[in-house]
Amino acid sequence: AQSVTQLDSQVPVFEEAPVELRCNYSSSVSVYLFWYVQYPNQGLQLLLKYLSGSTLVKGINGFEAEFNKSQTSFHLRKPSVHISDTAEYFCAVSDWGDYKLSFGAGTTVTVRA
Amino acid sequence: KAGVTQTPRYLIKTRGQQVTLSCSPISGHRSVSWYQQTPGQGLQFLFEYFSETQRNKGNFPGRFSGRQFSNSRSEMNVSTLELGDSALYLCASSLGLGTGEEDTQYFGPGTRLTVL
Repeated sequence: AQSVTQLDSQVPVFEEAPVELRCNYSSSVSVYLFWYVQYPNQGLQLLLKYLSGSTLVKGINGFEAEFNKSQTSFHLRKPSVHISDTAEYFCAVSDWGDYKLSFGAGTTVTVRA
Repeated sequence: KAGVTQTPRYLIKTRGQQVTLSCSPISGHRSVSWYQQTPGQGLQFLFEYFSETQRNKGNFPGRFSGRQFSNSRSEMNVSTLELGDSALYLCASSLGLGTGEEDTQYFGPGTRLTVL
């Protein structure tokens, strides 16, 4: 079974500063990787995904992530955050053909002016 | 396209009762998955249905069950509710054809269940 570790539970950051959220997963087999964002009292919104190909993927709202197979990592970055980026962020992994997502515990990002 | 819809959005039940939650997937999506989200356990996979068949199941007791209809709408049922079943229940849909892009899951807003 997949295990997903999000290394930071809380990340405070000032507006317009960069942010990086770290994610590591356990499986060495072929996987799909996702980042989702959850705003208060809402469901999960897909930010970006890695399925195959280029290891640097770009998503919505200026986010990007880099897949590193040797380190089994999929870290999320944004060069300049806004107050509206305050939310909880989840890293998720799916084994090929498994039809389910395994999630990390989440990282709460709080952006301050 | 309309997104994933879940009804009701909020529910309050008492211990011992049963509850049914509903999920309507994105048009054309044939796979529906259910997840439970709690502060203590995080997001956990319950089960996944594709063309009315359960293809994958998480580690939950038999009190949790589901089904999918021919129009791909899905229901989840929890019988004999316990206090620990209080959670946000999220439904997600995808094409479900096992090829990455087609397995990308899109989530609904969730149903907040409170068990008293």
